[in-house]
Amino acid sequence: QSALTQPASVSGSPGQSITISCTGTSSDVGGYNYVSWYQQHPGKAPKLMIYDVSNRPSGVSNRFSGSKSGNTASLTISGLQAEDEADYYCSSYTSSPSYVFGTGTKVTVL
Amino acid sequence: QLQLQESGPGLVKPSETLSVTCTVSGGSITTSTYYWAWIRQPPGKGLEWIGSIYYSGSTYYDPSLKSRVTISVDTSKNQFSLKLSSVTAADTAVYYCAREIEGSSRTDYWGQGTLVSVSS
Repeated sequence: QSALTQPASVSGSPGQSITISCTGTSSDVGGYNYVSWYQQHPGKAPKLMIYDVSNRPSGVSNRFSGSKSGNTASLTISGLQAEDEADYYCSSYTSSPSYVFGTGTKVTVL
Repeated sequence: QLQLQESGPGLVKPSETLSVTCTVSGGSITTSTYYWAWIRQPPGKGLEWIGSIYYSGSTYYDPSLKSRVTISVDTSKNQFSLKLSSVTAADTAVYYCAREIEGSSRTDYWGQGTLVSVSS
């Protein structure tokens, strides 16, 4: 199965909001409410930021929010901070059954 | 606090079998509702889900890797393992183990990862 499609890079100034898209198919993103988002800083393991489309684990800032429409999921970071600069990956359950990750998005805080 | 720790050879020769083990501490691998997963990341590239296992031995694999992958569990040691056969340079990656929650897309605990290089 093909990786989910994410923009290679997104940037924003401190305090702004940015949105990262994650596009799949009806066999993954569009077919299930099992989309998650991970933040990864260089040399570190990924950290779960959003699960089941829009749920935040305890300890994750409410500046992070998730949504889904059709075959596209989105992660919005509001009030952008320097510490948000990282790579972000979406993931979705698939009909195989298995999971598939997105291509990854590098977030730069200007 | 749950912790996962990968251990592996570091270097594997082409065509051989890569073996990596994940030791779980701070919790039991036999707890229901949890699956135990392997995910990899080639240097400078994105994440790739390899597969996962339930403590009973039930497994799920990525279709593109299924013919070369075996994931097993040793409940007596609170460990689970990955074997990937017929490796090539394209299998060079950081291999992560992680915990998945059944009925959710929640992969909430990750190991620190171990780099396995494939080279002669």
